[in-house]
Amino acid sequence: EVQVVESGGVVVQPGGSLRLSCAASGFTFDEYSMHWVRQPPGKGLEWVSLISWHGEETSYSDSVKGRFTISRDNDKNSLFLQMNGLRIEDTALYYCAKSTGNLEPFDFWGQGTLVTVST
Amino acid sequence: IQLTQSPSSLSASVGDRVTITCRASQVISSYLAWYQQKPGQAPKLLIYAASTFQSGVPSRFSGSGSGTNFTLTISSLQPEDFATYYCQQLNTYPPITFGQGTRLEIK
Repeated sequence: EVQVVESGGVVVQPGGSLRLSCAASGFTFDEYSMHWVRQPPGKGLEWVSLISWHGEETSYSDSVKGRFTISRDNDKNSLFLQMNGLRIEDTALYYCAKSTGNLEPFDFWGQGTLVTVST
Repeated sequence: IQLTQSPSSLSASVGDRVTITCRASQVISSYLAWYQQKPGQAPKLLIYAASTFQSGVPSRFSGSGSGTNFTLTISSLQPEDFATYYCQQLNTYPPITFGQGTRLEIK
């Protein structure tokens, strides 16, 4: 059974840092591109970042570029998102999702982890 | 590339035929996917490449279009179909963009 389980979401102050993790199982992790997508409470979906299967290619939305870093550990079937310089507008449910290529549909999503940036 | 869905919300009854439209700000060939999201759940892939069903998706769902104009049609609404639907372009990145969503509610 395919599973992706996000963790690491907490309440953090503006300017703070956080590292999200996504643990994958039930599929050959190193054959898939992985993505982070976020959803502010009551709002729509926003793509955040992607990483290719081998980890050599990464891409970011303009809203997080320079502040967030995506990485993966294929030996541990894990995806990460290092979030620095957090802003109130980064408050959202963060999903990890997999796809067969960088520009392929997201065929499975986790249940998300909630990041709240607040004073 | 911006995606604009219409309508933003829709009220319909069980058994109705419903169409949701997604318009891209530039040509994206057929690189469009549709997702369904129910409250408290993660999005679920329904259709990709504009008209190809994801495995397990009921045949009452269909997608069409190419270029800049796309539609998602539900031929006969079932109670479990009431949800929010998003289109997504997979033509170029960054960014990979989503439409703003269409909330389908029970009339």
